[in-house]
Amino acid sequence: RKEVEQDPGPFNVPEGATVAFNCTYSNSASQSFFWYRQDCRKEPKLLMSVYSSGNEDGRFTAQLNRASQYISLLIRDSKLSDSATYLCVVYMDSNYQLIWGAGTKLIIKP
Amino acid sequence: EPEVTQTPSHQVTQMGQEVILRCVPISNHLYFYWYRQILGQKVEFLVSFYNNEISEKSEIFDDQFSVERPDGSNFTLKIRSTKLEDSAMYFCASSFNYEQFFGPGTRLTVL
Repeated sequence: RKEVEQDPGPFNVPEGATVAFNCTYSNSASQSFFWYRQDCRKEPKLLMSVYSSGNEDGRFTAQLNRASQYISLLIRDSKLSDSATYLCVVYMDSNYQLIWGAGTKLIIKP
Repeated sequence: EPEVTQTPSHQVTQMGQEVILRCVPISNHLYFYWYRQILGQKVEFLVSFYNNEISEKSEIFDDQFSVERPDGSNFTLKIRSTKLEDSAMYFCASSFNYEQFFGPGTRLTVL
């Protein structure tokens, strides 16, 4: 089983719709979780940190389910500018490493 | 807003040559990282650096790679004898705690 798994997509979504991504992780000792977004040929940019059960930032909501070992990202009222690849990242306290998912590609269509 | 910077933005080199990729992390950050991303593939961890020494490295980070923090601001990645398969985007990142912030990357092309 991969350490961090994501549906690669692409998710083709009309503007204004709500879209959700899931991510599963294999190491139950993982402590910290993040969502990054990456535009084509650009650097990953931190979108949200998920430290407890979840948090919300504007149109974005991240949730963490430790029992089932998955993290989700919900985007409401999607904009054209939300088109990007969304990367699920798990932080391993034991070796200070970020373990990256392969990303889910989102395409918002007008 | 402070940001991580990297130079050069694009480096083209011949196979077997040495390259040095440079990064200036965010000034109050304590942890520094190098990652690479081959075109179309996932981000891969190379190495982390804390308190002037390597704290972790991946299997990719073999003897041809080295890192240095020669002064208080720069953080460099050296590839001693480049191979074709080293062609990738190399990202530097820095953090104060768990949240890592990335530079814009250096695109390395090995011919």
